[in-house]
Amino acid sequence: GQQLNQSPQSMFIQEGEDVSMNCTSSSIFNTWLWYKQDPGEGPVLLIALYKAGELTSNGRLTAQFGITRKDSFLNISASIPSDVGIYFCAGRETGANNLFFGTGTRLTVIP
Amino acid sequence: NAGVTQTPKFRILKIGQSMTLQCAQDMNHNYMYWYRQDPGMGLKLIYYSVGAGITDKGEVPNGYNVSRSTTEDFPLRLELAAPSQTSVYFCASRTGQGTTGELFFGEGSRLTVL
Repeated sequence: GQQLNQSPQSMFIQEGEDVSMNCTSSSIFNTWLWYKQDPGEGPVLLIALYKAGELTSNGRLTAQFGITRKDSFLNISASIPSDVGIYFCAGRETGANNLFFGTGTRLTVIP
Repeated sequence: NAGVTQTPKFRILKIGQSMTLQCAQDMNHNYMYWYRQDPGMGLKLIYYSVGAGITDKGEVPNGYNVSRSTTEDFPLRLELAAPSQTSVYFCASRTGQGTTGELFFGEGSRLTVL
């Protein structure tokens, strides 16, 4: 199946620091999504991207759809303790009905 | 508006037992999905459905069955539970219209097979 490589696998940062994570695929996607999962909960959508080069923000979060259509990036500025969780990228190939998910980036914010 | 509702939230099974994980959505979504999430891993697609009466296999369908008799419900059946099926199962849905890709997830069902 489709392989999505997400990095880093985990991050430990101080409160107030900025965070960057990325995801690459082995094929071209027409949709990139970023989800956050809190412990014991299902993933919740943060940002959706539909066009190559698109840059979209949601509060302190900014995500970009790579121009090659094989990668995407998520940045979190000025991290706060509630940013703790696992962040997943997900992508869809043109015409496909399902999403492929990355393995997740586990974020820990130290107050 | 409840969104996607999964039951049960937790279940312990013995090897060889069978059970059904229930999933219901009240958003009138055409597309529904079942994923499993193993520790430290992303979500793997088990089965999905693009509408009532239509189901398709995902990446890891072996050992599972699904049905979609109504738009609202998409149950996942395990016939002969095996330890390899110990996982957290997530049901999700989306409208399927246009280019929107957003999946709405349930809270998950944690299954342990001993």
